[in-house]
Amino acid sequence: AQTVTQSQPEMSVQEAETVTLSCTYDTSESDYYLFWYKQPPSRQMILVIRQEAYKQQNATENRFSVNFQKAAKSFSLKISDSQLGDAAMYFCAYRRTSYDKVIFGPGTSLSVIP
Amino acid sequence: NAGVTQTPKFRVLKTGQSMTLLCAQDMNHEYMYWYRQDPGMGLRLIHYSVGEGTTAKGEVPDGYNVSRLKKQNFLLGLESAAPSQTSVYFCASSYSISEGRQETQYFGPGTRLLVL
Repeated sequence: AQTVTQSQPEMSVQEAETVTLSCTYDTSESDYYLFWYKQPPSRQMILVIRQEAYKQQNATENRFSVNFQKAAKSFSLKISDSQLGDAAMYFCAYRRTSYDKVIFGPGTSLSVIP
Repeated sequence: NAGVTQTPKFRVLKTGQSMTLLCAQDMNHEYMYWYRQDPGMGLRLIHYSVGEGTTAKGEVPDGYNVSRLKKQNFLLGLESAAPSQTSVYFCASSYSISEGRQETQYFGPGTRLLVL
């Protein structure tokens, strides 16, 4: 069975600094999707970035980028130039290509210090 | 384009009462999902649907029923609420596999349910 682990329940970062959130997953599949979702206090889940496992190039969305290490089954999220609005819960998630169930990690609470 | 909407936003129930949560999407998505979110446990899939008239069990289906009579709506029912069902419930939708974009789920704002 697939599992997603986020070993950092809480993280904090100084405004304008860079922070990296960790995620590891377990799967026997070779093709799959990985995601990072953001959940601000409003509780709505917002897709931050996604990565296709068959792509070697790391995904990037503005200040958000990932470090995808397929062999190590690691998928970390880097937030550059952190802003106060980045404070939220961040969930790492996995999805098999041919199966629609998304498996979420337990989340990392990110605080941004002014 | 409202995306995914959920009603109600918040509800308090007594043990044994029943209620229905409504999820609606206006993106013509084939797939819809119900999750519950509990502290320290991330999101867990309750039930999902791959098309109108079809539903399937997720990770934690016990105590819940669902229906997808119309493509745009996905209802989650609690027949006899229990305190263990106190949670935040999220609905999500996505395109089908055949459309090639099924990997992205769009979430609603959530419903907070308290069962006393």
